[in-house]
Amino acid sequence: GAVVSQHPSRVICKSGTSVKIECRSLDFQATTMFWYRQFPKKSLMLMATSNEGSKATYEQGVEKDKFLINHASLTLSTLTVTSAHPEDSSFYICSARDMRAEAFFGQGTRLTVV
Amino acid sequence: KQEVTQIPAALSVPEGENLVLNCSFTDSAIYNLQWFRQDPGKGLTSLLLIQSSQREQTSGRLNASLDKSSGRSTLYIAASQPGDSATYLCGTLNTNAGKSTFGDGTTLTVKP
Repeated sequence: GAVVSQHPSRVICKSGTSVKIECRSLDFQATTMFWYRQFPKKSLMLMATSNEGSKATYEQGVEKDKFLINHASLTLSTLTVTSAHPEDSSFYICSARDMRAEAFFGQGTRLTVV
Repeated sequence: KQEVTQIPAALSVPEGENLVLNCSFTDSAIYNLQWFRQDPGKGLTSLLLIQSSQREQTSGRLNASLDKSSGRSTLYIAASQPGDSATYLCGTLNTNAGKSTFGDGTTLTVKP
């Protein structure tokens, strides 16, 4: 199947700093990528839809100024958590769909804000 | 709004047993349904994709079925192994707004 690569897998940052997470589709082009947040023993919560060359579409309740998304190419989307706070600590996962609309996910990023 | 439910939330079986995981969804307007495996602290690995026009898909010891009219899908795992221990999630790609909805998953433990 297709490969989506996400980095870093783990990051610890201090409160008030910003963290960037990268999501790459390695063997296919993705005009659209998705960013999710996952809480313990819970399913995926869609945060935003990343669109290549245009602004991301954010879900209700997600602060777009806090979670900055850039999709500058057909293979790369980035999520930047700005002015991070401990409550932003979570597991973030990106996803993209191939031509068959099969979803592939990155490895996830465990963010810990101290 | 699509809702996806997976029952049971957790399942423990002895090695070698055949088992079935259940997934139900409220809105039958879907493009496809996918089953995933998630290991602790990892992303989701796609196991099987069933398009809305299909009834089932098979890969090795895994077989997934889809009954769109009743809003149900099952994942059958034959001859379970300890390495199958993981959380299994199902997700629908909905025709309404083209978004995905995922269940909370079933955590499977296969005991040696």
